[in-house]
Amino acid sequence: KAGVTQTPRYLIKTRGQQVTLSCSPISGHRSVSWYQQTPGQGLQFLFEYFSETQRNKGNFPGRFSGRQFSNSRSEMNVSTLELGDSALYLCASSLIPGKDRYTFGSGTRLTVV
Amino acid sequence: AQTVTQSQPEMSVQEAETVTLSCTYDTSESDYYLFWYKQPPSRQMILVIRQEAYKQQNATENRFSVNFQKAAKSFSLKISDSQLGDAAMYFCAYRANTNAGKSTFGDGTTLTVKP
Repeated sequence: KAGVTQTPRYLIKTRGQQVTLSCSPISGHRSVSWYQQTPGQGLQFLFEYFSETQRNKGNFPGRFSGRQFSNSRSEMNVSTLELGDSALYLCASSLIPGKDRYTFGSGTRLTVV
Repeated sequence: AQTVTQSQPEMSVQEAETVTLSCTYDTSESDYYLFWYKQPPSRQMILVIRQEAYKQQNATENRFSVNFQKAAKSFSLKISDSQLGDAAMYFCAYRANTNAGKSTFGDGTTLTVKP
């Protein structure tokens, strides 16, 4: 079956713009988590959605937001982009939160110039 | 707060040899999972092995095995018969079952495999 699909793979944006990233989980998976990966900060948890509800949120400013649709696809949005938002954004999905294993996508590489 | 520490930024191993990657963590939880992920240049995080904290037996997956020392909060990964395809960044991760969607990752260890 298809894996976790993240689109686009690469993105270049200008400071001050906003961006939306998409994550399509494995079919049947209802939980989606998002992570930001940078060389300086490593992998940091952004938020987690299950059944269209945000269950958990990391320590990121309000410029970072997300949502999940009824088909479990998730989007994350970053408004008023800053240079420091340049990162690899990874999403992971699982059947349900908890004991199930998470499968990661290949990420979206965002560059802010 | 939970933390995960990987003290080896880089490791190298000769093909066919064995290498051990170290990981320590800190938590006050009793019910949690520990993971090792591999991230090759393709960027996708691939689950290598996972360990449930309440299981005393160390997990194994083919050439990969862990040494889980719960009291010491240590979780090392042993790769036997190393192959060129094992070269990647390896991340140790922790996930508490009370915080199921959130994993905490270490900073990673870059593994080089020499032919």
